[in-house]
Amino acid sequence: TQLLEQSPQFLSIQEGENLTVYCNSSSVFSSLQWYRQEPGEGPVLLVTVVTGGEVKKLKRLTFQFGDARKDSSLHITAAQPGDTGLYLCAGPQNTGNQFYFGTGTSLTVIP
Amino acid sequence: NAGVTQTPKFRILKIGQSMTLQCTQDMNHNYMYWYRQDPGMGLKLIYYSVGAGITDKGEVPNGYNVSRSTTEDFPLRLELAAPSQTSVYFCASKGGSSRTGELFFGEGSRLTVL
Repeated sequence: TQLLEQSPQFLSIQEGENLTVYCNSSSVFSSLQWYRQEPGEGPVLLVTVVTGGEVKKLKRLTFQFGDARKDSSLHITAAQPGDTGLYLCAGPQNTGNQFYFGTGTSLTVIP
Repeated sequence: NAGVTQTPKFRILKIGQSMTLQCTQDMNHNYMYWYRQDPGMGLKLIYYSVGAGITDKGEVPNGYNVSRSTTEDFPLRLELAAPSQTSVYFCASKGGSSRTGELFFGEGSRLTVL
């Protein structure tokens, strides 16, 4: 089992639909990050959340950090084909030196 | 700007061979990481380093070794390659805070062991 579990693993939706991706752990994280990865490239940072209950918005993307700092969610409103990619949550453990990634959610938005 | 550079981009190895994946960053970051990624999955931490001369194991270190003689370079060595090591390998560096700093990734090295 991985430290950070994401659900769903795969998601295929029509353009214009809304979706939510979840990132859960049994461990407390001092912060969590969300990355997006396109085929053949490395992940790129979308957002960092650091406070329990924090909500951050980036255009059509809304990120939330759980009150207990063990989980996070990513909500996309009116998905577009350009949102297609692998979404990864990630966070530090052991004084921040180790940095773990979640199991990933592969999103396909169909035009 | 170069950022994080990995070489080679592709490599095919025979079972039992050894090789080194090179990683260099020009951002003067202290933290560096090696991950492996199997198709459609997340990244698993192999080894990490918090500065020159300091390395430590991650989640899946068996079959790999690293060194960090300089701030810039963090090579990953595969000894006695096995088919289970077929994967895409990513090197990353992180600046700023250990807890909130952003990871910058190389383009990845696709390794196939036959």
